[in-house]
Amino acid sequence: DGGITQSPKYLFRKEGQNVTLSCEQNLNHDAMYWYRQDPGQGLRLIYYSQIVNDFQKGDIAEGYSVSREKKESFPLTVTSAQKNPTAFYLCASTIAGGPYNEQFFGPGTRLTVL
Amino acid sequence: SQQGEEDPQALSIQEGENATMNCSYKTSINNLQWYRQNSGRGLVHLILIRSNEREKHSGRLRVTLDTSKKSSSLLITASRAADTASYFCATDADTGGFKTIFGAGTRLFVKA
Repeated sequence: DGGITQSPKYLFRKEGQNVTLSCEQNLNHDAMYWYRQDPGQGLRLIYYSQIVNDFQKGDIAEGYSVSREKKESFPLTVTSAQKNPTAFYLCASTIAGGPYNEQFFGPGTRLTVL
Repeated sequence: SQQGEEDPQALSIQEGENATMNCSYKTSINNLQWYRQNSGRGLVHLILIRSNEREKHSGRLRVTLDTSKKSSSLLITASRAADTASYFCATDADTGGFKTIFGAGTRLFVKA
């Protein structure tokens, strides 16, 4: 089955720690995205990548980092510089960047800072 | 500020009734999309309407787009309890499509 997976489903972090959220897709999509969702809110774009070895900051990139070494993978690191990281994180992909492509979403990772 | 804003924020209806959700946006767009999110899950794409289209149907879903008013509506006919979810509109905000901007969503609750 083709799809997009995220792991872990739940993640707990102590203050001051960096954590990495995994996102993998086997849809052969070029573009991948990371969003943050806070309770009762919409999605805010953290980072996106249109092609391997290239990525751009979204609207709330501070305190986060990404890499895109493989087409299938787009991991997100939440660093200790992110002051309020508790949120629901969603990864998505599209065939290619462009105005007429739907985004396919993973199931999400819920991060809680203890 | 967010490009898309949904109205109402929350909607509660009886099974069998129609549900209408509205979305307003601020800048010109190439397309507008509607997504659905069940609690604690990822989003699922429902329908995409291009800026040169005025209405689109998919099963029990009907989407309209009025670019002169910068607004869209999503109608779900004959709602079912399984339609209970949050619904988001999203636009490309004339960014060339590389960024999709989501609204805050409408929370729909369908009572059986």
